[in-house]
Amino acid sequence: QVQLVESGGGVVQPGRSLRVSCAASGFSFNRHAMHWVRQAPGKGLEWVAVISYDGSDRFYADSVKGRFTISRDNAKYTLYLQINSLRAEDTAVYYCARDLAMKYSCDYWGQGTLVTVSS
Amino acid sequence: QSALTQPASVSGSPGQSITISCTGTSSDVGFYNYVSWYQQHPGKAPKLMIYEVTNRPSGVPDRFSGSKSGNTASLTISGLQAEDEADYYCSSYTSSNTRVFGSGTKVAVL
Repeated sequence: QVQLVESGGGVVQPGRSLRVSCAASGFSFNRHAMHWVRQAPGKGLEWVAVISYDGSDRFYADSVKGRFTISRDNAKYTLYLQINSLRAEDTAVYYCARDLAMKYSCDYWGQGTLVTVSS
Repeated sequence: QSALTQPASVSGSPGQSITISCTGTSSDVGFYNYVSWYQQHPGKAPKLMIYEVTNRPSGVPDRFSGSKSGNTASLTISGLQAEDEADYYCSSYTSSNTRVFGSGTKVAVL
C-alpha cells in the first residue's frame, strides 16, 4: 500500500536551516509529481511546492519562493524540502503528498512532521 | 496568490444536506476544471474527497458530490452523518502552475 513518512522536523532557531524528508513506498515513486503542504497550528492548509516526476520542473508558493527548495531522489524514493532562513511564521506541520497523475490533486498524504521555529 | 474563499462554518442535522462554497478567480477556479476537496479530521492528514470538480476517488461515499459555476465551486454532502464532522478545504490548480487552498470550512453535525 502507498505510504509516505515524513521526518526531520524539530525545534530550530530563527535564521537557521532545516531539511525535511519524505520516504515513499508502495508505488512507483518516479511516476508521480510530489507536493509539500504545510499547516500552521490551528490554521488552514497552505500549499508550498510541487516537483515533477523527474525533478525537471519545480514550482513554489510566492510566500516561500527563494527560501525553500524542493528536490527528490528517485533512486532512494525520497522527497526533500530544504528550508533556509527560518522564520517564526514557518512553524507548521509539513505534509508531503502524492500527485494524482494528471488530475492536479493530492491522493495520498503523509502524517506530517512538525517544524517549530523558536529561540 | 490569495487563498480561495470558503465560509468559516456550516452545520446541519443528521440526514440533511449541506453545501460548502469555494470562490476563486478567473485564474484558478474559473478557468480550470481542476478543483479538489479535502476532508481533515482533528490531528489527521487531509483526505482527498473530490477531484476534477466532480470525481470521487474509490472509497469515498456517493453522499459527497462536487460542482462548479463560474468562479465558485461547491461541495455537497447529502444525508449528513456524524463522521462527516470535520474541516473541509477546496483547492485549485492556478495559471502559475501552482496550487491554492481554500480558507477552510468547519462542518458541524448538530
